[in-house]
Amino acid sequence: KAGVTQTPRYLIKTRGQQVTLSCSPISGHRSVSWYQQTPGQGLQFLFEYFSETQRNKGNFPGRFSGRQFSNSRSEMNVSTLELGDSALYLCASSLIGQVTIEMNTEAFFGQGTRLTVV
Amino acid sequence: DAKTTQPPSMDCAEGRAANLPCNHSTISGNEYVYWYRQIHSQGPQYIIHGLKNNETNEMASLIITEDRKSSTLILPHATLRDTAVYYCIVPLPGNQFYFGTGTSLTVIP
Repeated sequence: KAGVTQTPRYLIKTRGQQVTLSCSPISGHRSVSWYQQTPGQGLQFLFEYFSETQRNKGNFPGRFSGRQFSNSRSEMNVSTLELGDSALYLCASSLIGQVTIEMNTEAFFGQGTRLTVV
Repeated sequence: DAKTTQPPSMDCAEGRAANLPCNHSTISGNEYVYWYRQIHSQGPQYIIHGLKNNETNEMASLIITEDRKSSTLILPHATLRDTAVYYCIVPLPGNQFYFGTGTSLTVIP
């Protein structure tokens, strides 16, 4: 069974540009979450999608957006890139999505996309 | 939401058990505790999770205190490949995993 696949693995962009990152979840998983990891802030939750709907969003500006397709694949977009957006972007997929805290499922992470903004 | 507290770093001798503590004193009765680890520059790896009872899988054991205010992850026979940052997390609904700073475990030969 294939794991979570993120593309591309590495990306270099210049300030002001926009970028789109892709995540293919494990087959059958319907929940996809995105995270940003930087040395200073650690691993931070960006947003989560379930059945093509954004259910939860972390504390990030509107420049960060995402979407999910009917096949559960997800993309995240960052517009007007800033130097501080340089980070490892991780996505995670879960089987059913945790609708309530009783309905727990483990999340499986991809290897991430390392974005460098110059 | 339950916040977790972990020691910033720990050492463990190779072959010995590594016991990683986590405090989650504000956890509510139906919130689960999850453990993940991250080896440098790789995506976090799921280890184990539990609610009340102790749990064991092929990777580790999870011991949760009776009052559920703390837990301990046990790696029974640590190897050099277990050197990583270990995160204890109590997720919010909707698969919101808020990672703290974790415990950096170094396994010493």
